[in-house]
Amino acid sequence: GNSVTQMEGPVTLSEEAFLTINCTYTATGYPSLFWYVQYPGEGLQLLLKATKADDKGSNKGFEATYRKETTSFHLEKGSVQVSDSAVYFCALISGAGSYQLTFGKGTKLSVIP
Amino acid sequence: KAGVTQTPRYLIKTRGQQVTLSCSPISGHRSVSWYQQTPGQGLQFLFEYFSETQRNKGNFPGRFSGRQFSNSRSEMNVSTLELGDSALYLCASSLVGPKTYEQYFGPGTRLTVT
Repeated sequence: GNSVTQMEGPVTLSEEAFLTINCTYTATGYPSLFWYVQYPGEGLQLLLKATKADDKGSNKGFEATYRKETTSFHLEKGSVQVSDSAVYFCALISGAGSYQLTFGKGTKLSVIP
Repeated sequence: KAGVTQTPRYLIKTRGQQVTLSCSPISGHRSVSWYQQTPGQGLQFLFEYFSETQRNKGNFPGRFSGRQFSNSRSEMNVSTLELGDSALYLCASSLVGPKTYEQYFGPGTRLTVT
């Protein structure tokens, strides 16, 4: 079956630090990959996506590259802000006609001034 | 364009009762999915509906059911509530087409079972 493994949190960084959150996956076929973000008390927001190998998804300064050879989709940001404090989820959809997202456990990021 | 809306936002029920949660998708979105979020199990897929038909179902007991109406609005029902059903229930909608994999989530319904 499909699975997503994320680095365990929580992660605490100072403002303007570099962020990396590791994500690896197991899936049949060629999955589409996603990063979602959840702010306190809210639902999930789609942060970025990649649908094929070597695609780079980017949004709001965040980036992730679909690496098929290492089955990874690591999230990076060059300079985090306090407003980036949230829980980040890596997810995938795999299989023709599938609408079922498989999520990682989530990584809580806290950015301190 | 309005986002996904879910009602109610908060709900407290007693063991053994049943509950119905509602989800209105983004206008034009015809696929609606439901997820359960708990601290222990994380985010788990419940089911997905399109054109009033359930197309995918996750590994949940039959106490969890859903339906979709002709206007794409969806409801999910949990019967004979158990303490372990306490969770945030999230609804997501998506277009059917080239961007079908982009799912947009509502704020969720927080269900507490006592």
